[in-house]
Amino acid sequence: AQSVTQLGSHVSVSEGALVLLRCNYSSSVPPYLFWYVQYPNQGLQLLLKYTTGATLVKGINGFEAEFKKSETSFHLTKPSAHMSDAAEYFCAVSAASGGYQKVTFGTGTKLQVIP
Amino acid sequence: DTAVSQTPKYLVTQMGNDKSIKCEQNLGHDTMYWYKQDSKKFLKIMFSYNNKELIINETVPNRFSPKSPDKAHLNLHINSLELGDSAVYFCATTRGAEQYFGPGTRLTVT
Repeated sequence: AQSVTQLGSHVSVSEGALVLLRCNYSSSVPPYLFWYVQYPNQGLQLLLKYTTGATLVKGINGFEAEFKKSETSFHLTKPSAHMSDAAEYFCAVSAASGGYQKVTFGTGTKLQVIP
Repeated sequence: DTAVSQTPKYLVTQMGNDKSIKCEQNLGHDTMYWYKQDSKKFLKIMFSYNNKELIINETVPNRFSPKSPDKAHLNLHINSLELGDSAVYFCATTRGAEQYFGPGTRLTVT
């Protein structure tokens, strides 16, 4: 069984401020972890992913996330928020199940960027 | 080239009608999914097909029937539409564990 918890359904930051979106997961097998972004009226697109290797992963648009196994976390950060970062962000965990990769999404965090 | 496409983008229909949503991918991926995203943005998996074979069938009313005529297509047919079916439906494919989403179909049942 696997699950994803995103803390905070809404996060507001000022333009230029640090962005921190929190994600904790549970998985009975080593997981793959993802962050997806959804802009209004669009589908989800991949921001970044962790599979194996380096625990600090960099993605598009200046975002990065760090896999911390001891804390079962995969928080998303960006040093300086831009107005264009306003969107819905989804954390996801994927793990092998019955020969296939089963993906579970978090409930999403809406990021608001204040000018 | 659109990797995952869905038609129609918007669908407005009345309760009790039957409708279909089509999905096509040109990525050559073996596995395709249907997700439902409700008004609170919660994303729930409905079905998954691998090489035209149904591999995931979550708790979905049997009014929903997926059909995969070939590896590149996964269609969703919905019978006797209800108000609660109003949502955005996303098709997705996967390579490994990474998902590639279509633009979504916004279904509104009146």
